[in-house]
Amino acid sequence: EAQVTQNPRYLITVTGKKLTVTCSQNMNHEYMSWYRQDPGLGLRQIYYSMNVEVTDKGDVPEGYKVSRKEKRNFPLILESPSPNQTSLYFCASTQTGGIQPQHFGDGTRLSIL
Amino acid sequence: DQQVKQNSPSLSVQEGRISILNCDYTNSMFDYFLWYKKYPAEGPTLLISISSIKDKNEDGRFTVFLNKSAKHLSLHIVPSQPGDSAVYFCAARGAQKLVFGQGTRLTINP
Repeated sequence: EAQVTQNPRYLITVTGKKLTVTCSQNMNHEYMSWYRQDPGLGLRQIYYSMNVEVTDKGDVPEGYKVSRKEKRNFPLILESPSPNQTSLYFCASTQTGGIQPQHFGDGTRLSIL
Repeated sequence: DQQVKQNSPSLSVQEGRISILNCDYTNSMFDYFLWYKKYPAEGPTLLISISSIKDKNEDGRFTVFLNKSAKHLSLHIVPSQPGDSAVYFCAARGAQKLVFGQGTRLTINP
């Protein structure tokens, strides 16, 4: 079954404590991205990656890092989380160059206290 | 600078009637438009899409209309069913990424 898997699904943590949200896809897709969803703002892209070792900033990259060492994995790293990063996060993947839809994970709800 | 806007945060429709969700965009370089449906505790899933070279695409109960001169996109659902209750996001593709609207929460009343 084609899927994008995010972990954890829920996390409550404190300001400044580094955390990583993992994302893995089993479709051999080249393009992966991270979004955050906030009320009244919809989905905003944080970072994207067009292939292994190729990453670029989206619309709201401040406070986040990513890496793409393998095609299937695209972790989102918060080095020093702050309360304004409390949000619902989605990882997505799609085949570059096509018009296939992006496949989304089920989301990670982060609360930074 | 919101390039894709859904000005109605919520919409309530009677079961069996037509639901019309609207979306406006500002960037004429967008080449592809999509509507996503999202249930609670799940990721968005693609519902229907349309290329900028077309003005209509239909898939069963769902039809998307694109008016390029007005930079306006709409999704029609007819007849509306209780299972259509969800948040709907429109999105536009440009420069290797999707830009999303704020979402509209659709509630179908029995």
